[in-house]
Amino acid sequence: SQQGEEDPQALSIQEGENATMNCSYKTSINNLQWYRQNSGRGLVHLILIRSNEREKHSGRLRVTLDTSKKSSSLLITASRAADTASYFCAETSGSRLTFGEGTQLTVNP
Amino acid sequence: DGGITQSPKYLFRKEGQNVTLSCEQNLNHDAMYWYRQDPGQGLRLIYYSQIVNDFQKGDIAEGYSVSREKKESFPLTVTSAQKNPTAFYLCASSIEKSQPQHFGDGTRLSIL
Repeated sequence: SQQGEEDPQALSIQEGENATMNCSYKTSINNLQWYRQNSGRGLVHLILIRSNEREKHSGRLRVTLDTSKKSSSLLITASRAADTASYFCAETSGSRLTFGEGTQLTVNP
Repeated sequence: DGGITQSPKYLFRKEGQNVTLSCEQNLNHDAMYWYRQDPGQGLRLIYYSQIVNDFQKGDIAEGYSVSREKKESFPLTVTSAQKNPTAFYLCASSIEKSQPQHFGDGTRLSIL
């Protein structure tokens, strides 16, 4: 299977700023999911957007999906130092997820 | 609290040795997964199971084996045939395929 690509690979911002991460995928998806991973820990599910949805919100998170371009973006508003982590998108096709390489976000206090 | 427990947290393997990583969940999930993560990279699927007594190979199954005798348990054996086993191994489960996955906190395997 093929992995999606996240852009940028690394992002460093100041607390209070917004962070945008992009993901491109390759298959026809059932849904696309975003996960967060703190250093040395397991992944935590953040949000799922279905293939027939274009935008979804959860607290300070906003996810968009463009199936014509096979791309998704994750926006974190009013970032905090505690948001520092790696963020992964995962395309769902059939019975499995395929994860991207991730974006390492650093939020400086 | 419900969740996934992986053990041990750190594991060391000698040359020619098989080692088994434990994964237990009390979420009553049907599907379970094993992933490998190398430094600075994403997750690659080793094996997955959608139901007890059934499992399928993922993208990098060579050198690994699994069993699914109980719904709660999905152990992974890293065999001596896996020549580059040093990595972070993550177990996950979900209610069913394509639904959000819950992850354990991983096992870090190194070579002695």
